[in-house]
Amino acid sequence: AQTVTQSQPEMSVQEAETVTLSCTYDTSESDYYLFWYKQPPSRQMILVIRQEAYKQQNATENRFSVNFQKAAKSFSLKISDSQLGDAAMYFCAYWSGGSNYKLTFGKGTLLTVNP
Amino acid sequence: NAGVMQNPRHLVRRRGQEARLRCSPMKGHSHVYWYRQLPEEGLKFMVYLQKENIIDESGMPKERFSAEFPKEGPSILRIQQVVRGDSAAYFCASSLSPVLYEQYFGPGTRLTVT
Repeated sequence: AQTVTQSQPEMSVQEAETVTLSCTYDTSESDYYLFWYKQPPSRQMILVIRQEAYKQQNATENRFSVNFQKAAKSFSLKISDSQLGDAAMYFCAYWSGGSNYKLTFGKGTLLTVNP
Repeated sequence: NAGVMQNPRHLVRRRGQEARLRCSPMKGHSHVYWYRQLPEEGLKFMVYLQKENIIDESGMPKERFSAEFPKEGPSILRIQQVVRGDSAAYFCASSLSPVLYEQYFGPGTRLTVT
């Protein structure tokens, strides 16, 4: 079964600095998708960024980028120029694609942004 | 275009009562997924439904839990005879097709069992 591990329960960063959140996963699939979701205090799940495993290029969305290391099964999220609004729980998630209809989530990392 | 809607946002039930959680998918979406988030945990898949059909319920507890997505109206997650361990946030997501990178989440329903 696929598993997703986030080894950092909590992280903190100073406003305007850069922070990296870690995620590792276990799978025997060669094609799959990885996601980072943000969950602010409102609890709304917001998709931050998505990476297709067949793409070698790391995904980027404005201040958010990933470091996807397929061989190491690692998928970290880098937040540049951190803002107070980035404070939230961040969840890494995996989808194997095809007829598997479930996202598998890690336990999350709570990010605090200090002014 | 309204997003995925869930109601109620907060639900308090006494042990032994029934809980009904509703999810209205985004307009045009016919695929609905339910997830449960226990305290200090990530979301765990419960069930995947299309209109009038349960496609995958591998994450649903075998007893007391049921889900439906009728031809008309919202999807319903029903928990009978609730216990304290059912206290959690329940999230619904929807998609236009069964492609999960286009899945949109609702704001969740927080169920508290007293």
